[in-house]
Amino acid sequence: GAGVSQSPSNKVTEKGKDVELRCDPISGHTALYWYRQRLGQGLEFLIYFQGNSAPDKSGLPSDRFSAERTGESVSTLTIQRTQQEDSAVYLCASSSRDYQNEQYFGPGTRLTVT
Amino acid sequence: AQKVTQAQTEISVVEKEDVTLDCVYETRDTTYYLFWYKQPPSGELVFLIRRNSFDEQNEISGRYSWNFQKSTSSFNFTITASQVVDSAVYFCALIAPQAAGNKLTFGGGTRVLVKP
Repeated sequence: GAGVSQSPSNKVTEKGKDVELRCDPISGHTALYWYRQRLGQGLEFLIYFQGNSAPDKSGLPSDRFSAERTGESVSTLTIQRTQQEDSAVYLCASSSRDYQNEQYFGPGTRLTVT
Repeated sequence: AQKVTQAQTEISVVEKEDVTLDCVYETRDTTYYLFWYKQPPSGELVFLIRRNSFDEQNEISGRYSWNFQKSTSSFNFTITASQVVDSAVYFCALIAPQAAGNKLTFGGGTRVLVKP
C-alpha cells in the first residue's frame, strides 16, 4: 500500500516568510510524528499526535513552530517568520500502535531559508 | 534523560568486509525499545529492526545481525560481507515511554561507505 507522503519535497523561502509542510500518514495509522534533520546531523523530535489525545509538543524549538492534525489523517507543520537556522529536512512518520510498532518515515521536505 | 551514542561517525570498508556499528544508550526506563534505521543517499529512512528491552535474544536477518546486551547498554549492528548497496547512514534510536513518551531519540548516525 501507499507509504507516508510529504509535500512539497523541496521548499525555498525567504527569511521572515511563513511556510506550511504537509504530511499524509499511512492509512489507518493512528500516530503521527514530525522530526527535523539538520545537515549532517541526527534527527530531532518535534511533535507527536496520537488519536484524539493532546499532542506532545515537547520538541518544538520555539513558538514559531506549530502543527495540526485533522482527525487521524493529514498533518500540517507551520513555521512562522522563518529563520536561516530553520533550514533542514523535515521528516514525518506514522505508526499503527503507539511505540510498539515501528515508525514508518516519509521522504521528507527539504526546507531552505535564504 | 534519554541518550543514544554512536561513537563512530564514519566507517569505510572494501566490499565483502564485515562492518560493525556501535550503539550505546542511556535510559532509566525498565521497559524500552531499540531501533536501527538506514538512510541511503536518497534520504528516506528505512526501518531495519525493533528490539524490546525484555528480549535479549540476538537476531540475524540475511547479512544483518544485531547484538543486544543490557549489561553494557549496547545494541550493536553488524553487516556481514558488505556490498556497495549498504553504503548509507545508519541510525540507532530509542523509545523510553515512561520517561519520554513515544518519540524516537536518535543517535548521531554512522556513515558507512562500502568501496568496490
